[in-house]
Amino acid sequence: ETGVTQSPTHLIKTRGQQVTLRCSSQSGHNTVSWYQQALGQGPQFIFQYYREEENGRGNFPPRFSGLQFPNYSSELNVNALELDDSALYLCASSSYGTSGMLDTQYFGPGTRLTVL
Amino acid sequence: AQSVTQLGSHVSVSEGALVLLRCNYSSSVPPYLFWYVQYPNQGLQLLLKYTSAATLVKGINGFEAEFKKSETSFHLTKPSAHMSDAAEYFCAVSDSGGYNKLIFGAGTRLAVHP
Repeated sequence: ETGVTQSPTHLIKTRGQQVTLRCSSQSGHNTVSWYQQALGQGPQFIFQYYREEENGRGNFPPRFSGLQFPNYSSELNVNALELDDSALYLCASSSYGTSGMLDTQYFGPGTRLTVL
Repeated sequence: AQSVTQLGSHVSVSEGALVLLRCNYSSSVPPYLFWYVQYPNQGLQLLLKYTSAATLVKGINGFEAEFKKSETSFHLTKPSAHMSDAAEYFCAVSDSGGYNKLIFGAGTRLAVHP
């Protein structure tokens, strides 16, 4: 069983540029959540995708957007990069159980984004 | 709104000593609670989770945590620390809303010295 994978591992961009991060979910999972982890902080929820639709969003501006594909892999796009966007971006895959609650979220290794 | 507070951003123990990492949560409904571990330059690995079954939860690598509703706590313990336990530990609560986002504490960095 393949775990959650993310690409690229590291990325360096300059202010104002756009970036796309990718996540492949674990086999059997249909939900992907994205989190931003700034240095020295806990991860913050960005948004979640379920069956190719955005299913919830945290306190992030619209320049953070995403996609989920039919194979449940996902992209995170960030436009007009700012210095404060420098962080580790984590994706987590899961599935909704019969109770209607999201099962355990399994995290990928993350993409380290540096904005200069 | 739900929240998590981890007391102590840094904890240092001797190898073989008890590990105690503190987590308090705020939730208006029965929560799902998690402990994750993050090694340097890596993602998050699930240590254990509480989902309203047994209040004492056993996880991987000898860790366990006890859910205490009266104290709104979910402290993580390990009887004997090992050098390999040195990492950042995050407590999280699952939002009871429709999409169950994880709300994380700020983390506790555990150092283990010989």
